[in-house]
Amino acid sequence: GESVGLHLPTLSVQEGDNSIINCAYSNSASDYFIWYKQESGKGPQFIIDIRSNMDKRQGQRVTVLLNKTVKHLSLQIAATQPGDSAVYFCAETSPYSGAGSYQLTFGKGTKLSVIP
Amino acid sequence: DTGVSQDPRHKITKRGQNVTFRCDPISEHNRLYWYRQTLGQGPEFLTYFQNEAQLEKSRLLSDRFSAERPKGSFSTLEIQRTEQGDSAMYLCASSLIGGDRYEQYFGPGTRLTVT
Repeated sequence: GESVGLHLPTLSVQEGDNSIINCAYSNSASDYFIWYKQESGKGPQFIIDIRSNMDKRQGQRVTVLLNKTVKHLSLQIAATQPGDSAVYFCAETSPYSGAGSYQLTFGKGTKLSVIP
Repeated sequence: DTGVSQDPRHKITKRGQNVTFRCDPISEHNRLYWYRQTLGQGPEFLTYFQNEAQLEKSRLLSDRFSAERPKGSFSTLEIQRTEQGDSAMYLCASSLIGGDRYEQYFGPGTRLTVT
């Protein structure tokens, strides 16, 4: 069935370096994507979102890139800090997700470890 | 803190017992979602409310599960006759209908352990 997945399950980066977390999706009807950060024992925390009519969106130290041609999404974190260590999930939704509920479909997640 | 609260944060129960969880969404949000998350996996959709109406249920939501949102504000999720396979983190999220963004804000979750 349709799914959202991640290329890499774990990622280790040196403090201060940039991090890139990738995500592939297969539902061509997806028109809205969100990146979440989840720390141990906590709920997912919204980081940044992007609509399908955009290919790039920037936030504070984070950038999301969307390539609809190859159905690929990435999250770039600039100057990675120890506090960025967490599991990162991409999620997608569309007007056709659950009869208009805009329910989110999540991938398995990538664990980011920042080396001090 | 996203503004979404859940209670309790942790629940340990014996197989066969009933449990109930509560979610208080962000006050102006009219959409409320329940998700379940098992270890190492992303959250999976369970059910969705728009105001007080339950409009969508996942096939994951067996007959032992029931959810309510009586006044369109807080919501409860009840699991009857719990099974060990019900052990998971139960997450609540809320969002605001309208506009062109559909971000959902999650609560801290209720960790259920069925022994």
